Amino acid sequence: DQQVKQNSPSLSVQEGRISILNCDYTNSMFDYFLWYKKYPAEGPTFLISISSIKDKNEDGRFTVFLNKSAKHLSLHIVPSQPGDSAVYFCAASAWVGGFKTIFGAGTRLFVKA
Amino acid sequence: KAGVTQTPRYLIKTRGQQVTLSCSPISGHRSVSWYQQTPGQGLQFLFEYFSETQRNKGNFPGRFSGRQFSNSRSEMNVSTLELGDSALYLCASRDRAIDRRGTNEKLFFGSGTQLSVL
Repeated sequence: DQQVKQNSPSLSVQEGRISILNCDYTNSMFDYFLWYKKYPAEGPTFLISISSIKDKNEDGRFTVFLNKSAKHLSLHIVPSQPGDSAVYFCAASAWVGGFKTIFGAGTRLFVKA
Repeated sequence: KAGVTQTPRYLIKTRGQQVTLSCSPISGHRSVSWYQQTPGQGLQFLFEYFSETQRNKGNFPGRFSGRQFSNSRSEMNVSTLELGDSALYLCASRDRAIDRRGTNEKLFFGSGTQLSVL
């Protein structure tokens, strides 16, 4: 039972254009959402997060949007750069007697120069 | 501060053997989580430890176990290895000095241990 879903295994975008990565979750217990970026042979690194009390959070070129009623979030990267090419993981977090952070399967982003 | 350190970096085992993986969190971090990464499955949550206690666990069989020591270092053990256990095992520590929820719940990951079961 996948509680966090990233339905696009890969995405290809031209340099300078917008990249939009999508994520859906099924469980209403999640109240904090995060995006991580992963390069080969390295562990994931934190990118940006959003609390369920907000619907948007920006950090430079990265913006995360949250639609609670649809249980959907998206990551926008504008403008996309070749160095953004990586695997992006969506994660949802809840407090269940301790931290429980569930990740999606990831989306591989290719930014073409 | 040094990052999250996982050892060994690579392991090759055969079916039926057991394996122990080690994780040293960032200094001051008391929460350690373990994840299994396989192609197409993303990061599957194994368990979370805090102050030597397992607080949460994912849907893995009992062959997967872990523990945390008083210095917050953690180990993960897999017994009776199966071919399907081949994966990248990632450890992550949490930046939280006080155990309560807040605005910063990000995990800091190590580079992982790549386990191959033959």
